[in-house]
Amino acid sequence: QQQVKQSPQSLIVQKGGIPIINCAYENTAFDYFPWYQQFPGKGPALLIAIRPDVSEKKEGRFTISFNKSAKQFSLHIMDSQPGDSATYFCAASKDNDYKLSFGAGTTVTVRA
Amino acid sequence: DSGVTQTPKHLITATGQRVTLRCSPRSGDLSVYWYQQSLDQGLQFLIQYYNGEERAKGNILERFSAQQFPDLHSELNLSSLELGDSALYFCASSRGRAQETQYFGPGTRLLVL
Repeated sequence: QQQVKQSPQSLIVQKGGIPIINCAYENTAFDYFPWYQQFPGKGPALLIAIRPDVSEKKEGRFTISFNKSAKQFSLHIMDSQPGDSATYFCAASKDNDYKLSFGAGTTVTVRA
Repeated sequence: DSGVTQTPKHLITATGQRVTLRCSPRSGDLSVYWYQQSLDQGLQFLIQYYNGEERAKGNILERFSAQQFPDLHSELNLSSLELGDSALYFCASSRGRAQETQYFGPGTRLLVL
């Protein structure tokens, strides 16, 4: 079963809007939460990652918010651009674990 | 370009056949990971090798096997193929420690007819 639940499955926003993707997990042993971005025909690429000791991390227009008590984390894309149209995957892993458990993915479309 | 190469890009075969997918990691990377991406299962971790040794195993079927060679390239062997094995197969590589960035290749799209 999916260890990381991701929603929504897809979303469409206008240019400049803020798409928000949510992920939830049950395993409290998870302590590393990366987000990957995948363009059509390409492999996933690391976008940004967070650990539970911080509640928010920003890299450019991408922000991760982390709520440890709720076991949830989310990705916000500020001032979204058509070039941000891609599928986004959240993931999680445990300390000293090489395995990444991925969410089901969210396809984001940013309309010009 | 991640620096990870995978061949072939596309593969079409019939049920019951066997295929080999090949992956060359980024220069300097010792770990290789294999993932399967399908519409209904998403991205599933299959197996990981570090410097020639199997280190972690995920949802890999017994019909599937992998190895990493001394030059660090890896091969994923899929045998007795079924229609449900049709998917994108990704290889990723990293330096070798847990929880570090994994760099994904472009994938091999397998279609089993």
